[in-house]
Amino acid sequence: DAGITQSPRHKVTETGTPVTLRCHQTENHRYMYWYRQDPGHGLRLIHYSYGVKDTDKGEVSDGYSVSRSKTEDFLLTLESATSSQTSVYFCAISEGATEAFFGQGTRLTVV
Amino acid sequence: KQEVTQIPAALSVPEGENLVLNCSFTDSAIYNLQWFRQDPGKGLTSLLLIQSSQREQTSGRLNASLDKSSGRSTLYIAASQPGDSATYLCAVLMTTDSWGKLQFGAGTQVVVTP
Repeated sequence: DAGITQSPRHKVTETGTPVTLRCHQTENHRYMYWYRQDPGHGLRLIHYSYGVKDTDKGEVSDGYSVSRSKTEDFLLTLESATSSQTSVYFCAISEGATEAFFGQGTRLTVV
Repeated sequence: KQEVTQIPAALSVPEGENLVLNCSFTDSAIYNLQWFRQDPGKGLTSLLLIQSSQREQTSGRLNASLDKSSGRSTLYIAASQPGDSATYLCAVLMTTDSWGKLQFGAGTQVVVTP
């Protein structure tokens, strides 16, 4: 399995609170991604990174921000969590247009 | 806008039967197509990556074919086993996108009965 660790694996938080999810990789891959998976919508890209401090928006980026200060870490922050952000969040890595590998996911519930 | 479709949404087969899973896409300008497996409550496991220049890719009991001109890929799983029960997802990478920005189908949920 690709060395990708997501933390926490489960989290329950209240509406309006900030939340940060962490993705850590040991593969030294240049590219990292955050996706969310929802019933009826499948997997959708939130943000991605193509290098340290280099990030860009995906399909559903509103309400989310990201940071990448080291090659191995990619953080996803919900500035003020809403119920619509209840979802399963997946981190993925790749070396550009090659095979992508996914983490085990973080189940986030906003109450 | 690329649309990726997987039909059927669910499939049940008896053990030993061959599985045929379909993936179609509307824009043939793809760079590659990847098949994943997802077990309940788990992450995605990469099964096969097939480049746009390839017609097929094989790994063990798995074989994926790609017909870019018709916008179709098929994943064959030979001699299915109960352990093959999972959701199978296909995803495409467009030539207009770099850096692995995958576009996913909704998946086919497979149940293999003993």
